[in-house]
Amino acid sequence: DGGITQSPKYLFRKEGQNVTLSCEQNLNHDAMYWYRQDPGQGLRLIYYSQIVNDFQKGDIAEGYSVSREKKESFPLTVTSAQKNPTAFYLCASSITSGNNQPQHFGDGTRLSIL
Amino acid sequence: AQSVSQHNHHVILSEAASLELGCNYSYGGTVNLFWYVQYPGQHLQLLLKYFSGDPLVKGIKGFEAEFIKSKFSFNLRKPSVQWSDTAEYFCAVIPNTGFQKLVFGTGTRLLVSP
Repeated sequence: DGGITQSPKYLFRKEGQNVTLSCEQNLNHDAMYWYRQDPGQGLRLIYYSQIVNDFQKGDIAEGYSVSREKKESFPLTVTSAQKNPTAFYLCASSITSGNNQPQHFGDGTRLSIL
Repeated sequence: AQSVSQHNHHVILSEAASLELGCNYSYGGTVNLFWYVQYPGQHLQLLLKYFSGDPLVKGIKGFEAEFIKSKFSFNLRKPSVQWSDTAEYFCAVIPNTGFQKLVFGTGTRLLVSP
């Protein structure tokens, strides 16, 4: 079945530690996205990638980094510079970055601080 | 910058009641509109979308939404809700010019009591 796989489902981070969240898609989509979901705030865009080897900052990119070396993979690193990393992280993809392309979402990763 | 408002943060209904969830956006140009649903423990799923044409769009599971351009609104409706409709609902908007980012509302939590 085609879809988006995020791992792990739950992740714990120690103070000062970088952690990487995985996102893999087998939908052959060009565009991929990372969102952060906090209670009462909806989804906010962290980074997006319109095509392989390219990515752009979203609205809340500080403290995060990404790479897009392969079309199917868009990992997100939460660095120690992100002072409030506890949140639910959602990865999404779309066929292209065109405005009429619905985004398909993964099951998410819940990150907590130890 | 574009914004999306969902005024009802929590809605509680009994089964068979009618549902209307409000969504208003701020953008003067042409937009594409989406409603996503997140059932407990599941990933975000596309409920319905509007790009152009008939402003009344039908989605999955008996949901529909009406785009009223003059009111900048895209309210979600269902004539008779079921317990299985308990979920969080997100309205999202993306301007239809150039590359734009999908902007989500803060979400509405719907609880349907049996």
